[in-house]
Amino acid sequence: EAGVTQSPTHLIKTRGQQVTLRCSPISGHTSVYWYQQALGLGLQFLLWYDEGEERNRGNFPPRFSGRQFPNYSSELNVNALELEDSALYLCASSLGGSGANVLTFGAGSRLTVL
Amino acid sequence: GQQLNQSPQSMFIQEGEDVSMNCTSSSIFNTWLWYKQDPGEGPVLLIALYKAGELTSNGRLTAQFGITRKDSFLNISASIPSDVGIYFCAGRRLGGGSQGNLIFGKGTKLSVKP
Repeated sequence: EAGVTQSPTHLIKTRGQQVTLRCSPISGHTSVYWYQQALGLGLQFLLWYDEGEERNRGNFPPRFSGRQFPNYSSELNVNALELEDSALYLCASSLGGSGANVLTFGAGSRLTVL
Repeated sequence: GQQLNQSPQSMFIQEGEDVSMNCTSSSIFNTWLWYKQDPGEGPVLLIALYKAGELTSNGRLTAQFGITRKDSFLNISASIPSDVGIYFCAGRRLGGGSQGNLIFGKGTKLSVKP
């Protein structure tokens, strides 16, 4: 069974640019979560999607946005990139609904903003 | 958002030593998870705990769900070099979480003394 897959694995952007990161959940999982992990820091919750709807978002500015598609894959968009957006962006998936407990993570997309 | 208090933040150990780390919260949790993250990778689930007092092992790893339901412990016996990494606790608060179910600790960085 394929795990959570993320693309691209690495990318470099400059300040002010926009980026789109992609995530495919484990087959059968309907919930997708996005986390930001800056160097040396813990996981900061960004967004949670379930059944195509945004269920919750973390304390991030509106230039961080995303969506979930009918096949449950997801995109994270970051506009007007800033240097401090450099981080590992992790996607995770789980079974849907409020009863979901275990998140399975992808390997992440490493974003560097110059 | 709410975070768990995970300690220690980092530790250096001698190969062969036992390791202990813990997470505490002011809230009652009904699920505790322990993840390990290798450099450049996403976190991987080590142990899941669902019941107060539960003690679960996975090889040399043992984790416990605290009786008060406000804490959890992870022990690694006879550490080896591949145990290096960052260990995260994650919990689901009774009544649901505020961050898409799971709340993460800030991690314990484990390094082995040369």
